[in-house]
This record gives sequence, C-alpha cells and structure tokens, in this order.
Amino acid sequence: GQNIDQPTEMTATEGAIVQINCTYQTSGFNGLFWYQQHAGEAPTFLSYNVLDGLEEKGRFSSFLSRSKGYSYLLLKELQMKDSASYLCAVVDSNYQLIWGAGTKLIIKP
Amino acid sequence: GAVVSQHPSRVICKSGTSVKIECRSLDFQATTMFWYRQFPKQSLMLMATSNEGSKATYEQGVEKDKFLINHASLTLSTLTVTSAHPEDSSFYICSARGNRGTGNSPLHFGNGTRLTVT
Repeated sequence: GQNIDQPTEMTATEGAIVQINCTYQTSGFNGLFWYQQHAGEAPTFLSYNVLDGLEEKGRFSSFLSRSKGYSYLLLKELQMKDSASYLCAVVDSNYQLIWGAGTKLIIKP
Repeated sequence: GAVVSQHPSRVICKSGTSVKIECRSLDFQATTMFWYRQFPKQSLMLMATSNEGSKATYEQGVEKDKFLINHASLTLSTLTVTSAHPEDSSFYICSARGNRGTGNSPLHFGNGTRLTVT
C-alpha cells in the first residue's frame, strides 16, 4: 500500500528552527509537495521537490532524498504565525496525490 | 494568479436537505478540479476528480448518487450533497490545476466550505 508518515505534533519556540520530517512509501514517485494549513482554512502551497537536494525559499527550505523516501521541511526564525499544520503530499506513478496526515506545529513565545 | 473561489464558506442545513457548493477558477481555466473532504485532525481525503464536460471519477467508498458533481464549464465545478445527514458534516475543499497544469503541478485550493448538518 501507499503510506506517508509525519509526526502528529511538534512544539517549537519563537525565533528558533524546526525540522518537520516526512517519509513515504508509494507506487512510483513524481514529486513531493509541502503545504501549510491554518486551522479552519484550506492548504496553501509551500514547496515542490522532485530532485534530490535542498530547495530554499526565504525562511522555509525543503529537502528530498528519493533513495531514502524522505523529505523534510525546515522552518527558520519561527514566528507565531507559523503555527499551523504542515502537510506532506507525494505524486505517485499515476500522478495521484497521496496526502500525509499533517504535522501540527505549535509555536510558543 | 491562479485563484480558486469556493462558496459558501459555511453552511448549516437540516438533515434530509441538499446543499450545493460552488468552486470557481477566477483567473485561469481549470480542466480538472478535485473535491476533498477533511474531518477534524485528519488529512485531506480525495472524494472525486471532476473533469470539464465529462462524468466525475469518484474514489472508492464515495457514493456518487449522494455527492453529485457537475463540471459544466472550464471555470466552474459544483458539489451537491444530497439528503445530507449529520455524518456528512465536514470541511469540503475544492482544488484545481490550470489548463496547462500537469500531474505534478501545484494544486490551487478554494477556501473550503464548513458544512454542519443538524
């Protein structure tokens, strides 16, 4: 079967750095997305990785290792507004999106 | 660009009635739209894929006669929850790729509809 694993919840301090991991086992791979979802709102696109390595975009970076079936989202200089759920989603061989359950990130002052 | 508008944002209805949710792509043409349902503290669950001018493709376990999908134009898809029951209460979200979007293009999401069936 297809499976995506993310931690259920993480807590970090304002101004710090946090890394949210995602491991996946899917039938084929055509890329991995990270989305941010605030409570009661729809997801918003953060990043897309299809090749191995680190993609940096401002305070957020996303890393991919296809051989390990592993990705992480790195958030720097955390702000209170970063409190949200972070969803990992993989595009499989049929170009279907397989969603993780999301990681709820709690930022404390 | 790539704005998806979803309406209504919240709806409360009585058990047994039907509710229609609209999803519009405002500044692009969406040949394919996706309807998701999300229960509290759970991930997005794909309900169906809506293709302009053809029948929707429903995921396993989703009743096509209960969740009617119409994608009559390149900018509008509707989801009608028929004979709603309290267990249908959920957060419904539509999303779309542009008409040049490929299978690994980011999805653009509507703001979601919070449905409460009493």
